[in-house]
Amino acid sequence: QVQLVQSGAEVKKPGASVKVSCKASGYTFTDYGFSWVRQAPGQGLEWMGWISTYTGNTVYARILQGRVTMTTDTSTSTAYMELRSLRSDDTAVYYCAREPSNSSRGDYWGQGTLVTVSS
Amino acid sequence: SYVLTQPPSVSVAPGQTARITCGGNNIGSKSVHWYQQKPGQAPVLVVYDDSDRPSGIPERFSGSNSGNTATLTISRVEAGDEADYYCQVWDGSSDHRVFGGGTKLTVL
Repeated sequence: QVQLVQSGAEVKKPGASVKVSCKASGYTFTDYGFSWVRQAPGQGLEWMGWISTYTGNTVYARILQGRVTMTTDTSTSTAYMELRSLRSDDTAVYYCAREPSNSSRGDYWGQGTLVTVSS
Repeated sequence: SYVLTQPPSVSVAPGQTARITCGGNNIGSKSVHWYQQKPGQAPVLVVYDDSDRPSGIPERFSGSNSGNTATLTISRVEAGDEADYYCQVWDGSSDHRVFGGGTKLTVL
């Protein structure tokens, strides 16, 4: 069965970086891309960007350009999202979502990773 | 950038029909996906490509999309349907995914 297992919660200071992982199993990793989505406390879903596991191509949300990098490791079927220069308003639950190659729908989601940015 | 507008809340009695709208400029020309999110849980896809259901999603969940409005319809609402619902599209002009602001469904 398809599973996306994300890394554990993180606490970071302002200005630091965080790297969240999303390990996939139960399907052929390179047949699907990933979007990363975050949700601040009490707020809605915010799309952060997308990566093709086949080509490594990425598309990032304009608001995060220059601070976010998405990568994948096909040898371990793992997707990564790194966010730099963290601010307090980056405090959120971060999700990875698998996307079929011909669609933008997130058909399976990771359990979420809470990132807290606090001095 | 493309904007999706949802009502903040919808209330419905058990057994009735809930309709949650998602407005966007000419959204009828796009494929709309809908997610259900319960407190403390990850979102779950309930409708994709306007009106298709993933396996395991009850037939009570259906979708439509035309003009400037897409609609998620939940028939015979149950207490367990109480959740936040989000619509989402792909904006081809920016290659960005876009989420609506979400609608809290309350079962009275």
